[in-house]
Amino acid sequence: EIVLTQSPGTLSLSPGETATLSCKASQSVDNIYLAWYHQKPGQAPRVLIYGASNRAAGIPDRFSGSGSGTDFTLTISRLEPEDFAVYYCQHYGTSLTFGGGTKVDIK
Amino acid sequence: EVQLLESGGGLVPPGGSLRLSCAASGFTFTSFAMNWVRQAPGKGLEWVATISGSGRRTFIADSVKGRFTISRDKSKNTLYLQMNSLTAADSAIYYCAKPGPYSGSDLGYFDYWGQGTLVTVSS
Repeated sequence: EIVLTQSPGTLSLSPGETATLSCKASQSVDNIYLAWYHQKPGQAPRVLIYGASNRAAGIPDRFSGSGSGTDFTLTISRLEPEDFAVYYCQHYGTSLTFGGGTKVDIK
Repeated sequence: EVQLLESGGGLVPPGGSLRLSCAASGFTFTSFAMNWVRQAPGKGLEWVATISGSGRRTFIADSVKGRFTISRDKSKNTLYLQMNSLTAADSAIYYCAKPGPYSGSDLGYFDYWGQGTLVTVSS
């Protein structure tokens, strides 16, 4: 089973700034089967990125994903008020695991 | 429009059983694997179980293997999770989730989620 470690645990930023979130896998992720979600309080998660770098339908281009192998990054440019949430990465394909999450809160 | 509506959650004593349901609509149910994902209060996401579109293959997380069973009824477009021998560690919101179209396998990412149903295991 692949273990995903997300960092930092909490990221405090201001609207308009750029957030850089890390997701490190315990072993190489085949076919870059790595997804990112955000979750707002009281809501179900919403997929942002699949295949490490592909934006899901309706996701604005300020969200971008990159990486391969064991190191993946989600970058959120020009943070909007609605972007302050918890972010999870997920490995899929051969097994299903989530990272522990990164909370992006308002500084 | 894809809709996933979970039901069946509630308060159950330790050692008890519960069956969750997820009514699906807005897509061809048998064409997609379906999933259960849970989230304990204030905690992160944990995948629980997956069932293939045909229902012939199931995948269960080690944390619930031997206690939980996933199934589906194509005539009712409904997904189920039978939970037995429940403990406090099983207390969580349980979401059903549909895989995205580019998942590449039954174990995919999730493009639609239900609103969740809360299971509380307590005496």
